[in-house]
Amino acid sequence: GQQVMQIPQYQHVQEGEDFTTYCNSSTTLSNIQWYKQRPGGHPVFLIQLVKSGEVKKQKRLTFQFGEAKKNSSLHITATQTTDVGTYFCAGKEVENAGGTSYGKLTFGQGTILTVHP
Amino acid sequence: DGGITQSPKYLFRKEGQNVTLSCEQNLNHDAMYWYRQDPGQGLRLIYYSQIVNDFQKGDIAEGYSVSREKKESFPLTVTSAQKNPTAFYLCASREGETQYFGPGTRLLVL
Repeated sequence: GQQVMQIPQYQHVQEGEDFTTYCNSSTTLSNIQWYKQRPGGHPVFLIQLVKSGEVKKQKRLTFQFGEAKKNSSLHITATQTTDVGTYFCAGKEVENAGGTSYGKLTFGQGTILTVHP
Repeated sequence: DGGITQSPKYLFRKEGQNVTLSCEQNLNHDAMYWYRQDPGQGLRLIYYSQIVNDFQKGDIAEGYSVSREKKESFPLTVTSAQKNPTAFYLCASREGETQYFGPGTRLLVL
């Protein structure tokens, strides 16, 4: 079945440093989504990427979708203490012809970001 | 105030006991999902439902059961067959491609 690998598992940075997490899928994806989970909280949707090579920005966050639609990255510029949490990618597999969309996502293991003030 | 609610926030289970986790949504979403979260393993799909009276097994369905008698409700039962139930359980509903998560239930085995 589809597997989504995410690295690194942990990342400790000083406030103001940049941060990047990478996501790789074993199969071609229809789309990829990114979620953030604050400590003790639940995942919250950040963004969805659909097109090959797509780049989207949200303030200090930059999201990329690879040309082959099998990998993605999230880059945070100049981290702040409010950025702490676990960042998950979640991929939706390309369906075969005649398939029914169930919206089934496969989540990566997540990257736990710690920001030291 | 729309959203997804899960109860209880914490749940303790004795050995051999079945427990049911509640998930309710008033977002009018058709699709709902149950995930299990363990440290370092991300979210794993237990069951999902696309519509009332229909549900499908996810990747780790063994030891769990669900029902979907109402659009708003998708309860998860953790049965005694689930040998390692201690985890954080998250319910979600879907609109378009986006999943919206509830606050979660933390299940602990005594």
